[in-house]
Amino acid sequence: AQSVTQPDIHITVSEGASLELRCNYSYGATPYLFWYVQSPGQGLQLLLKYFSGDTLVQGIKGFEAEFKRSQSSFNLRKPSVHWSDAAEYFCAVATYSGGGADGLTFGKGTHLIIQP
Amino acid sequence: DGGITQSPKYLFRKEGQNVTLSCEQNLNHDAMYWYRQDPGQGLRLIYYSQIVNDFQKGDIAEGYSVSREKKESFPLTVTSAQKNPTAFYLCASSIFQNYGYTFGSGTRLTVV
Repeated sequence: AQSVTQPDIHITVSEGASLELRCNYSYGATPYLFWYVQSPGQGLQLLLKYFSGDTLVQGIKGFEAEFKRSQSSFNLRKPSVHWSDAAEYFCAVATYSGGGADGLTFGKGTHLIIQP
Repeated sequence: DGGITQSPKYLFRKEGQNVTLSCEQNLNHDAMYWYRQDPGQGLRLIYYSQIVNDFQKGDIAEGYSVSREKKESFPLTVTSAQKNPTAFYLCASSIFQNYGYTFGSGTRLTVV
């Protein structure tokens, strides 16, 4: 069965510093990987996704992620964080069958705190 | 603008009562999903439907029921059999061809 691990429950970063959020996945087939962000009490907003091709993908709000098949990782990065980046971040892997899209399997999330 | 509408945003019910959460989409997506979110647990799949009049159980379907009579609508009923129904519920939809998922803004259900 597929699974996603986000090792860091909480991360605190100073405003202007760089950020890396870790994500490891387990999936038997070619993974389709996503990063979502969630503000308190809100739905999920897609930051970026990887399906194939270039292993470094660019997303919205200045985020990027790198797919490393050998390490089963899909880490999210940002060179300089802003106070508005404080939120919950979720990594997810999509599963597909012959019938179509079977849904996303999520990690438990990383809570990002930004220090002034 | 196209999107997913979940209503209401907040819902309160007494223990032992069934309650139905609404999810409507105007994206013309084929598949729809219900997730439950609890603090520190991430999102867990309850039910999903890839076509009208068909749906499959997800990882935590016990105590929940769904219907899919129209492509646009995928209501979730939280029954009295659900032992711990207080949670944040998110609906999503997807179109297979572009592998994308769109989420609604969620319903927070509190059972007292």
